[in-house]
Amino acid sequence: DADVTQTPRNRITKTGKRIMLECSQTKGHDRMYWYRQDPGLGLRLIYYSFDVKDINKGEISDGYSVSRQAQAKFSLSLESAIPNQTALYFCATSDSRNGGAKETQYFGPGTRLLVL
Amino acid sequence: AQKVTQAQTEISVVEKEDVTLDCVYETRDTTYYLFWYKQPPSGELVFLIRRNSFDEQNEISGRYSWNFQKSTSSFNFTITASQVVDSAVYFCALSEDAGGTSYGKLTFGQGTILTVHP
Repeated sequence: DADVTQTPRNRITKTGKRIMLECSQTKGHDRMYWYRQDPGLGLRLIYYSFDVKDINKGEISDGYSVSRQAQAKFSLSLESAIPNQTALYFCATSDSRNGGAKETQYFGPGTRLLVL
Repeated sequence: AQKVTQAQTEISVVEKEDVTLDCVYETRDTTYYLFWYKQPPSGELVFLIRRNSFDEQNEISGRYSWNFQKSTSSFNFTITASQVVDSAVYFCALSEDAGGTSYGKLTFGQGTILTVHP
């Protein structure tokens, strides 16, 4: 079984709808992240969480919110989806016991979101 | 501010050719880490390698090798005797301590699309 799972894998929604993307991990890592990928732009950080009570904005958090329900679960919400949020979304995890910049982030399979 | 540049947007080679993917980075930190990830057509991101700024030894793993040169701020990736299965998007990324918070903010390059033709 995959260590980092994301649901759904694909989603089509309409402008103005609220949607939630979910991420679960069995790696036992304390840190979790949400990125979006757009063609030609690489991956950009949306939110990150050091633990259940510690959530931080990344570089492109506007229009998004997150919830860390448990150490293993980190969900991303689009409160009112808009077409330019069409992208590939990735969840990632890392272990702070390998603290600091040397932490390796491990990624989930991604969720393809299309906002019409 | 940290920055990663992958100037090659797309590379196309024929199977068995060697290919080098370039990565140039910018950082003010003396301690940082460099990564390569592979994204095959199926879409997932696969971790390939992590390198710290104090270790400039080249690394080889099978047909993959990495050349880290601090003097030119580069961390290039070479695939020897490329195969069709190497076709993917490859991302270089940089991590540095963010003001003592002990969080390694990961900054990605734009990615290089590698196509290996049979």
